Amino acid sequence: QSVLTQPPSVSGAPGQRVTISCTGSSSNIGAGYDVHWYQQLPGTAPKLLIYINTNRPSGVPDRFSGSKSGTSASLAITGLQAEDEADYYCQSYDTSLSGSRVFGGGTKLTVL
Amino acid sequence: EVQLVESGGGLVQRGGSLRLSCAASRFTFSSHWMHWVRQSPGKGLVWVSRITSDGSSTKYADSVKGRFTISRDNAKNTLFLQMNSLRAEDTAVYYCARERLGAAADAFDIWGQGTMVTVSS
Repeated sequence: QSVLTQPPSVSGAPGQRVTISCTGSSSNIGAGYDVHWYQQLPGTAPKLLIYINTNRPSGVPDRFSGSKSGTSASLAITGLQAEDEADYYCQSYDTSLSGSRVFGGGTKLTVL
Repeated sequence: EVQLVESGGGLVQRGGSLRLSCAASRFTFSSHWMHWVRQSPGKGLVWVSRITSDGSSTKYADSVKGRFTISRDNAKNTLFLQMNSLRAEDTAVYYCARERLGAAADAFDIWGQGTMVTVSS
């Protein structure tokens, strides 16, 4: 059971828009801590997709965007492409845990 | 190219020990906080441990506290994870990751390719 809750799976057709939610609580996202998003293609290491809620690293297409409100955050992908099929993880900081960094359980995106 | 390369994984018996290494290149290693993240087969990412840039402070997930030790050698641009009293549930791919130089609790912007640790019972 992850501290940050993500839907196990989402799907969409090429060209469509999909969103992935990341729901936290008052000890993490709701406390004002930033949310980061990672993409993990099959058999590869995770890659940073969005940092500090809304920022894209150099090289990440602007089809990917992040937002945060209250105790939740979302990743939106527009103009869905076949190569977007991957696992997506949100990550934040949690004050209730001794270690403090937490990941969501991950969401598998399927491009139909 | 900025890079992290892990090594040291392998097959170990339950109760055994293993030391993972993560070699950093083409960036100022000594400036960055570093982390270990693991992923059990077919499962999600789980944060394991972090160390500050000068090595003075460390933190661990409850699941590994007292068994794992994170350390670094800034002169050799290398991060380590000493894993003792290994359990079957420690079986995973272990990634080292660099934390961005930015806000507090910032994102992990560079990841290694991972090294597989298998604990046999």
